[in-house]
Order: sequence, then C-alpha cells, then structure tokens
Amino acid sequence: GAGVSQSPRYKVAKRGQDVALRCDPISGHVSLFWYQQALGQGPEFLTYFQNEAQLDKSGLPSDRFFAERPEGSVSTLKIQRTQQEDSAVYLCASSLAQASYEQYFGPGTRLTVT
Amino acid sequence: AQSVTQLGSHVSVSEGALVLLRCNYSSSVPPYLFWYVQYPNQGLQLLLKYTTGATLVKGINGFEAEFKKSETSFHLTKPSAHMSDAAEYFCAVSEGPGRRALTFGSGTRLQVQP
Repeated sequence: GAGVSQSPRYKVAKRGQDVALRCDPISGHVSLFWYQQALGQGPEFLTYFQNEAQLDKSGLPSDRFFAERPEGSVSTLKIQRTQQEDSAVYLCASSLAQASYEQYFGPGTRLTVT
Repeated sequence: AQSVTQLGSHVSVSEGALVLLRCNYSSSVPPYLFWYVQYPNQGLQLLLKYTTGATLVKGINGFEAEFKKSETSFHLTKPSAHMSDAAEYFCAVSEGPGRRALTFGSGTRLQVQP
C-alpha cells in the first residue's frame, strides 16, 4: 500500500519568502508528526496532531512556523519569512492509532533557503 | 527531559563481521526505545522497538537490540554484516503515552567494507 508522501521533495526559497510543505499520511492513520532534520543530525520533533487536533507544538522553533491538519488527514507545515537556519529536511510521520508507537516516515522535503 | 547518545558517528566493519551500534538514553519515566535506519534520500524505516516485556528485541534484516535498564542502554547488533546494511542508523526514545514525540540521537553511519 501507499506510504507517507510529502511534496515537494525539494524546495529552494529565497530568504524572506513563505513556504508550504505538504504531508499525506497513510490512509486511516490518526496521528501525524513533523520533524526537522538538519544536515548531519538526527530528526528533531516539531509538532504532533491527533486527527485534526494539534496536541503538542512544543518543538516549533518560532512563531514563523505553523502547522495545520484541518480535516484530520493531509497536513501542511508553513514557514513564514524563511531564514537560512530553516534549511533542513522536514520529515512527516504518521501512526495508526493513539496506542501505536510505530511511526511511519515519509521521504522528507529538503528545504534550502538562499 | 529525555536524551539519546549514540557513541561513534561513523562505524566501519567488514562484510560478515559483527555489527554493534551503541545507544544510551536518559529518561525520567520508563522509556520506549526504537532503532530506525535511513538510506540516502529516503525517510526513516523502523528496525525494531522496545515498549514492554522481553528485553531482547528482534527486528527486521537480522538486527536485534537489548534493553538494559541498569546501563540505560539499547545497543543494536547484527551477527554478520551485509553490504546492503550500509546506511545511517538512529536510536530514539519516547516517554510513551505521556508524550509520543520521538527524541533521536545524532545518528551512526555504518560502512560495510567488502
């Protein structure tokens, strides 16, 4: 079956531009997570949704970062006024149920801010 | 707060040799522990997980890990390395139901020499 998909796979933005990154989770998966992976580092948690509710956004680095999942399926991570330090791979993961600890990751979106 | 330390950012082994990737964690609650593998330009794939029960956990591709509470460790092993095992490996910890976000280590790149 289809896994987690993310689009675009690569995004180049000029500093100051706004970007929107999309995540399509596995169908029926209740939980959705966003992580940021800087070059040579492990992923770092950004935010977590259960259905449409954003239950944890403690990892969002600034108020320029905003995530939504309005219908409990597709999610969008938006970054306003991008800065060079936002350059990273943004990973999305989904999980079947609240009690499941297995997160299935998408291929990521590589964002480069110039 | 929880954290993960992976000793050795690069590990090189010969094909057929034992693979040992080290992971130590800190957690204020009983941890849920994971190993993920990442191939170039791909998302993370779950190798194995420990939540409760048996402390020796077997995963995919011949990998296994042992949860040792007294040593706060969750080292990953494979008896005989294969060329296809060359990848980046990440250890991660979750606090379980209270906070499902994963905290990752910085990763270990495994090279397999012919």
